[in-house]
Amino acid sequence: DVKVTQSSRYLVKRTGEKVFLECVQDMDHENMFWYRQDPGLGLRLIYFSYDVKMKEKGDIPEGYSVSREKKERFSLILESASTNQTSMYLCASSLERLAALYEQYFGPGTRLTVT
Amino acid sequence: QKEVEQDPGPLSVPEGAIVSLNCTYSNSAFQYFMWYRQYSRKGPELLMYTYSSGNKEDGRFTAQVDKSSKYISLFIRDSQPSDSATYLCASTLPYGGATNKLIFGTGTLLAVQP
Repeated sequence: DVKVTQSSRYLVKRTGEKVFLECVQDMDHENMFWYRQDPGLGLRLIYFSYDVKMKEKGDIPEGYSVSREKKERFSLILESASTNQTSMYLCASSLERLAALYEQYFGPGTRLTVT
Repeated sequence: QKEVEQDPGPLSVPEGAIVSLNCTYSNSAFQYFMWYRQYSRKGPELLMYTYSSGNKEDGRFTAQVDKSSKYISLFIRDSQPSDSATYLCASTLPYGGATNKLIFGTGTLLAVQP
C-alpha cells in the first residue's frame, strides 16, 4: 500500500511566522503535489514536483515555496504566515507523469490555523 | 464558471438505496475522469477513474462519462453507512500539457442512514 504521511495533523501558528509542512511517501513515486482544501473552493494545486530539485507552480503559489531535496520528501513553506492561509493542506504523490493524470495518492492532511 | 461543477449536497439516503452523484465540466478537451472519496478528517482516496466516454464498474460502484453532454456520474448500489463521505470528481487534460493537473469539483457530502 502506498503511504503518504504528513508531519502534523493539526498546527496553530501566529501571523508572520515561517511555517514548514513536511510530506513523505514510501513508494518511490516521482511526482509529488501540495494542495489546499477550502469549503466551497475544493482542492487547489499550490506546487508540484516531477523530480528531485524540480518544482513547478500550480494555481495558487503566492505566499508559498517548496523544497524537494530527496525523492521521498516534499516540503511546503509558508514564508510569512497570514490568516488567509488558514486551511487544510494535502500532500499527494503519483508514480510517474502519466499516472499523475489519474492516480494520485493523498496524505491525511494538515489542518493549519493562523491566528 | 468553474471548470468542474459539483452539487455540494448534503445528500441523505437510507441504507440500501441507489445513490447518484453528478458533476459537469466545461472543457471538452478533458480526457481522464476520476472519483475520489474523502472520509471526515482524512485525505481523499481514489475510487476509480475512466478514460474518455463510457462506463466502468467496480463492485457496487459505477462511473459513467458522457462527453457529449460533459457529464460525469458515480452510481453506488446497495449503499451502506460506511459509504458516508464526501465524494470528489476530478478531470484532467490529455497527457503532454504543460501542467497535467487534476481539476477538482468541490465535493458532495453523502450520508447513508442505517
